[in-house]
Amino acid sequence: EVQLVESGGGLVQPGGSLRLSCAASGFTVSSNYMSWVRQAPGKGLEWVSVIYSGGSTYYADSVKGRFTISRDNSKNTLYLQMNSLRAEDTAVYYCARDDFLDYWGQGTLVTVSS
Amino acid sequence: EIVLTQSPDFQSVTPKEKVTITCRASQSIGSSLHWYQQKPDQSPKLLIKYASQSISGVPSRFSGSGSGTDFTLTINSLEAEDAAAYYCHQSSSLRGTFGGGTKVEIK
Repeated sequence: EVQLVESGGGLVQPGGSLRLSCAASGFTVSSNYMSWVRQAPGKGLEWVSVIYSGGSTYYADSVKGRFTISRDNSKNTLYLQMNSLRAEDTAVYYCARDDFLDYWGQGTLVTVSS
Repeated sequence: EIVLTQSPDFQSVTPKEKVTITCRASQSIGSSLHWYQQKPDQSPKLLIKYASQSISGVPSRFSGSGSGTDFTLTINSLEAEDAAAYYCHQSSSLRGTFGGGTKVEIK
């Protein structure tokens, strides 16, 4: 059974950093496109980043230069390193599989506030 | 960036009525358009992939059509459990994007 479990969210001050994790089971992360998607409170979905099976990475303009997507094949886990956090980064962050996002995690809440 | 424009933003519908949601892309994306349903406090759920391909376990009243720049999600004979927000998403470009969403309310 495919499962994605995010962790690492929490309260952080503006300018701070957090690393989100997405532990996968039932499939191999390195063999699939893996994406991060976020949703600010009461708002719609926003695509954040993708890592392709070949290792190429891409980012939304709103996070480029501040966020880094990566994976640990030995742990079958996806990561999102978030630096220089801003209030507008406050959101539930989801990881999802494949280009058509067939499986999603339950999400982890990131709150950026002083 | 490819912009996806969904309409309407909100729709109030009676049970058994037909619902049509459209998604227009700012440039041609072929069939790389996918639809999701999100209920309150839940993660999004894939309904339709590649514009018209059905997903196992999704009720047959949900269908998708379109290609290029214009796409449609149709819910035939709406049921109370279909109250949710619906989003389109394109994977044609290296950087994905989502439509703004359509909230469907049951009258």
